[in-house]
Amino acid sequence: AQSVTQLGSHVSVSEGALVLLRCNYSSSVPPYLFWYVQYPNQGLQLLLKYTSAATLVKGINGFEAEFKKSETSFHLTKPSAHMSDAAEYFCAVTLYNQGGKLIFGQGTELSVKP
Amino acid sequence: DVKVTQSSRYLVKRTGEKVFLECVQDMDHENMFWYRQDPGLGLRLIYFSYDVKMKEKGDIPEGYSVSREKKERFSLILESASTNQTSMYLCASRPHLGLGGEQYFGPGTRLTVT
Repeated sequence: AQSVTQLGSHVSVSEGALVLLRCNYSSSVPPYLFWYVQYPNQGLQLLLKYTSAATLVKGINGFEAEFKKSETSFHLTKPSAHMSDAAEYFCAVTLYNQGGKLIFGQGTELSVKP
Repeated sequence: DVKVTQSSRYLVKRTGEKVFLECVQDMDHENMFWYRQDPGLGLRLIYFSYDVKMKEKGDIPEGYSVSREKKERFSLILESASTNQTSMYLCASRPHLGLGGEQYFGPGTRLTVT
């Protein structure tokens, strides 16, 4: 069965520091992977997605993620955190044999300290 | 821009009431989804619909039903609301583009059942 695990329900960084949010997946076939962001009192917005093209994927707001098949990981990074990055971040994987349904990780709340 | 709207941002209902949550998308998407979001659990799929009048159970359908009479509208129904259905409900839509197509989310409805 496919699943997604996000390590760390809360991550806190200082403004200007590196952001690293971890996501590991389990899948018996090459997956499609997504990172979504949810700002307070809003719905989810797509940050980036991996669909078997380049393994390093660039998204909006300076975020990027690298697909590593050997590590079954798709970690999200940003070189320099900004206060406006404070939000909840969700990693998700497509269910390959069920027509586009998504399985979400439990989410990681990112806090950015001034 | 794709727009997914939900009928209410906040809703308070009493135990035993019948509750309707409405979702409308304006991009002619075939697929629509209802999730509930709870702290520490991420998003869990309640029901989804591949097209008009089609519906399939997700991971947690108990206590819920859905209706999709028109392509743009997907309704979630709580037949008899209970306190354990207090949650954030998110609707999403997606074009039928294969597995890599992203889902577009509405702003969510925060439902409180007292």
